[in-house]
Amino acid sequence: RKEVEQDPGPFNVPEGATVAFNCTYSNSASQSFFWYRQDCRKEPKLLMSVYSSGNEDGRFTAQLNRASQYISLLIRDSKLSDSATYLCVVTTSGTYKYIFGTGTRLKVLA
Amino acid sequence: DTGVSQDPRHKITKRGQNVTFRCDPISEHNRLYWYRQTLGQGPEFLTYFQNEAQLEKSRLLSDRFSAERPKGSFSTLEIQRTEQGDSAMYLCASSTFEDNYGYTFGSGTRLTVV
Repeated sequence: RKEVEQDPGPFNVPEGATVAFNCTYSNSASQSFFWYRQDCRKEPKLLMSVYSSGNEDGRFTAQLNRASQYISLLIRDSKLSDSATYLCVVTTSGTYKYIFGTGTRLKVLA
Repeated sequence: DTGVSQDPRHKITKRGQNVTFRCDPISEHNRLYWYRQTLGQGPEFLTYFQNEAQLEKSRLLSDRFSAERPKGSFSTLEIQRTEQGDSAMYLCASSTFEDNYGYTFGSGTRLTVV
């Protein structure tokens, strides 16, 4: 079983739709969580950190469920520019390396 | 310097040749990481440095791979006797002590082994 698992998609949604992605992780000692965005043939860029209490940044909301070992990303009012791959990232206590999921592709359609 | 810089952006090499990539992190970042990414996959951890010390290496990093960060500033990743399976995007990232700020990635070096 992979340490971090994501549905690769693609998720094809119309503009204005709300879309949610989940990511599960296998190590209960995981400590920090992030969502990164990666455009085609570009480097990943930090979208947001994920906190236990949940956090929101504009149209984006991230949540963490430690009991079920998953994190989620909700995008409201999708824009064409949201089309990208969304990478889930997990770190474990005692190490600073990031474990990435395979990413979920999102296509927002006009 | 406002970002992580990687050089070269693209490299095409023949199988069996050696290649070296360079990464210049954000100047105040003391941690530097190397990742490899193939098509349709997320980045895979290779190694990381805290200042000049190499603190962790992945089992993916065979004896053909070596990384250095001699003065705690820039880093180099060398691949000896390249194989076609080494074709990938090699990403460098840097960060500060505070994990919650996340990594900043460079634009990557795309390696094609022919």
